[in-house]
Amino acid sequence: QSVLTQPPSVSAAPGQKVTISCSGSSSNIGDNSVSWYQHLPGTAPKLLIYDNTERPSGIPDRFSGSKSGTSATLGITGLQSGDEADYYCATRDSSLSAGFVFGTGTKVTVL
Amino acid sequence: EVQLAQSGAEVKKPGESLKISCKASGYKFTSYFIGWVRQMPGRGLEWVAIMYPGDSDTRYSPSFQGQVTISADKSITTAYLQWSSLKASDTALYYCARLVVPEPGRDYFDSWGQGTLVTVSS
Repeated sequence: QSVLTQPPSVSAAPGQKVTISCSGSSSNIGDNSVSWYQHLPGTAPKLLIYDNTERPSGIPDRFSGSKSGTSATLGITGLQSGDEADYYCATRDSSLSAGFVFGTGTKVTVL
Repeated sequence: EVQLAQSGAEVKKPGESLKISCKASGYKFTSYFIGWVRQMPGRGLEWVAIMYPGDSDTRYSPSFQGQVTISADKSITTAYLQWSSLKASDTALYYCARLVVPEPGRDYFDSWGQGTLVTVSS
């Protein structure tokens, strides 16, 4: 039972846009930066966004992140079949021994 | 290039002990936290523990405190996750990952291992 809540699933047609929300509280998102990860079953998770809005080298600008208050959002534009995966937000949580916490995860389906 | 190479799949019986490994290369091992993340069958990612090999600073998720032990051997740049008495509920895929901490509260896992499948069954 994660403290970061994401919608279980989102879907859209190829070329369209999806957004994934991540809702937390003042002890986690409200007080720390958010990162986002893409996870295809059977593979290592991949960092997509760090520090709320920054993309690592090699991540296309179709992926974007934002944060406002105690919520964060991942946006994916120009949806492609290869984007079909599970997506997780993550951040520190001051109420968990300064530990890390992942969101509940969102399955993105490309119709 | 940062690489994290994990040990192979394990099949164990309840009550047995286990130690899985994560061999790091391509960066200064003692300058970054390294952590473990669990994914149970059909479930999401859960943070287990992190450790700073430089000074052995260790943090556990409250859900895993007392259930597992994270450790590291600086001489061979390898991190470990171990259990003294496995339960069927420990069956999961375990990933190691490097944690980058530009400053407190801005950290993120930038590189991940391929995962180690642990199956506990009688």
